[in-house]
Amino acid sequence: DAGVIQSPRHEVTEMGQEVTLRCKPISGHNSLFWYRQTMMRGLELLIYFNNNVPIDDSGMPEDRFSAKMPNASFSTLKIQPSEPRDSAVYFCASSFSGDLGNEQFFGPGTRLTVL
Amino acid sequence: QQQVKQSPQSLIVQKGGISIINCAYENTAFDYFPWYQQFPGKGPALLIAIRPDVSEKKEGRFTISFNKSAKQFSLHIMDSQPGDSATYFCAASSYGNNRLAFGKGNQVVVIP
Repeated sequence: DAGVIQSPRHEVTEMGQEVTLRCKPISGHNSLFWYRQTMMRGLELLIYFNNNVPIDDSGMPEDRFSAKMPNASFSTLKIQPSEPRDSAVYFCASSFSGDLGNEQFFGPGTRLTVL
Repeated sequence: QQQVKQSPQSLIVQKGGISIINCAYENTAFDYFPWYQQFPGKGPALLIAIRPDVSEKKEGRFTISFNKSAKQFSLHIMDSQPGDSATYFCAASSYGNNRLAFGKGNQVVVIP
């Protein structure tokens, strides 16, 4: 079975450019999470959706970041304009909210480098 | 504010030894405590999880010990192997809340 799919796996861009990260959650899952991982700050939750609706975006760093989930099988995280401090690994995860276990399944991540 | 705190930050263990990672939490509403394992270049993956109705859960060489009164739980890796070298995250959530509060992670290195 396919797990969470993220694209691209690596992205190198210049400061000021727009960056769009994509995620396809596991079929049947109804919750989707975007995380950012850095050495300094660890794993940070940026935003999460339940049934395609954003529930908590308090982790989104600033207005340069936006996320959408137009349907149950696709989500995007956009950074515009990008800055060097946005360099990190961005993970998408999905889960089924009906599970008592709340297990989240993570994608392989997108490594973003902003020059 | 970090809701879940891990210690130590990193750990070096000899092959065959026991790795122990500790985690402390603040929110008494938490009722689900998983440990995630992350290898370099991969996303975290669930390793083992516990609920507060038991004090210990064992799966193979991995054991979670839970102390509700101290608001602490720990991961024990018995007979540590080089393949266990990874970053380990503890996390916590409360019933009905999809959001997991993650610790900052512990890097475990098992040397042959």
